[in-house]
Amino acid sequence: KAGVTQTPRYLIKTRGQQVTLSCSPISGHRSVSWYQQTPGQGLQFLFEYFSETQRNKGNFPGRFSGRQFSNSRSEMNVSTLELGDSALYLCASREEGYLEQYFGPGTRLTVT
Amino acid sequence: EDKVVQSPLSLVVHEGDTVTLNCSYEVTNFRSLLWYKQEKKAPTFLFMLTSSGIEKKSGRLSSILDKKELFSILNITATQTGDSAVYLCAVGGSARQLTFGSGTQLTVLP
Repeated sequence: KAGVTQTPRYLIKTRGQQVTLSCSPISGHRSVSWYQQTPGQGLQFLFEYFSETQRNKGNFPGRFSGRQFSNSRSEMNVSTLELGDSALYLCASREEGYLEQYFGPGTRLTVT
Repeated sequence: EDKVVQSPLSLVVHEGDTVTLNCSYEVTNFRSLLWYKQEKKAPTFLFMLTSSGIEKKSGRLSSILDKKELFSILNITATQTGDSAVYLCAVGGSARQLTFGSGTQLTVLP
C-alpha cells in the first residue's frame, strides 16, 4: 500500500497570508490527524477527522482549521499566518479501531 | 491533561554500545504506548504496547511497558550509525489522540 502523502513538501509564506496543506491517507484509513512539530514544543496535536467530521481538537487558535473529504483526503488551513506558525506540519492516518498512526513526510512551512 | 516525559533528552554513544531510552507518562484511561523513530522527516512506527510486562522485539530493538509504574523503556543493542535519530514516545488515552513526549536525540558515532 502507498504511504501517507502530503503536499506541498515545502512552503514559504508571508505574515498575514493564509495557507492550505493537503494530506492523502493510506488506502482504507479513514482517520486523519494533524500535528504541528516545532523544536521548542515538539509534536502537538491539532485535530483529528473521521468520516468527514472533526472528532478531536487540540489547543490551537481558531486560525487553524481543517476538513476531510468523502475519499478521506484531508486539508488543513491556517489563516492570518504568524511567524510562530513556522513548523513542520505532519499528517497521520490510521485504521478505525487501531491506535497506531502512520505519518506522512510533512509540509515544512516557513512564515517570513 | 495527558503528559509524557522522555529521558534523557539527548545521548551520544559509539557503535556497538547498548542504549536505554525512558518514557514516563500520565494519562487518563490508558489505552496504548507507542514508540516512533524520526530521522530527517516523518516519524516511523516502531512498537505499540498495551499490556504490562510483555516485551516487544524487532531485531536489535526491544521495548517493555510497566503500567503500574507508568513507564516504558526502549532498548537498542549493538547500536549502529543508522540508529541515529530522535526517538519519540506517545501515549493514547481516552481522548483517542496521541500525546507525544519531546523525544530523545540519539547520536551513534562510528
